[in-house]
Amino acid sequence: QVQLVQSGAEVKKPGASVRISCKASGYTFGSYSLHWIRQAPGQGLEWMGRIIPILGIANYAQKFQGRVTITADKSTSTAYMELSSLRSEDTAVYYCAREAPRQTTYFDYWGQGTRVTVSS
Amino acid sequence: EIVMTQSPATLSVSPGERVTLSCRASQSVSSKLAWYQQKPGQAPRLLIYGASTRAIGTPARFSGSGSGTDFTLTISSLESEDFAIYYCQQYNKWPPLTFGGGTKVEIK
Repeated sequence: QVQLVQSGAEVKKPGASVRISCKASGYTFGSYSLHWIRQAPGQGLEWMGRIIPILGIANYAQKFQGRVTITADKSTSTAYMELSSLRSEDTAVYYCAREAPRQTTYFDYWGQGTRVTVSS
Repeated sequence: EIVMTQSPATLSVSPGERVTLSCRASQSVSSKLAWYQQKPGQAPRLLIYGASTRAIGTPARFSGSGSGTDFTLTISSLESEDFAIYYCQQYNKWPPLTFGGGTKVEIK
């Protein structure tokens, strides 16, 4: 069965960086894009970007351009999202999500989420 | 950027009632609209894609309709496990992919 397992919770100081992993299993990793979506406390869902693992190409939301880097390691079926210059507003749960088949850009499987707290 | 607006923000209903949730796009998204259900402490779960196609495992009491800018998610008879927050998401024009602000369905 398809599973996306994310790394554990992080506590970071303002100005630091955080790197979250998302290990995929149960499907051919290279065949599906992986996206990152975040959710601030009590708020809605915000798309951050995606990676096409087979090509290593990433696209980002303009809001995060220059601060976010999404990569993928095909050898370990793991995607990574690194967010730099953290500020308190980056406190959120970060999810990875698999893009549904045939390049239809909705999400059929989600990771369990990784809570990131930014606090001095 | 396409802005997705959901209404109402909160819906108070009793089990067994019929529920209708609305999602409006700031410009046409054709039928490229998905609905998700999120329960407290959990990741969102895909319910509907293509505006009206139920995802695998979505109960038949959930139905989606609409195209262009106006969409509806209907729950024909609310069950206890349906109390959750529901989000719509457009995937017609991106980046960025955008979500609505959510509708919370709570017990009356």
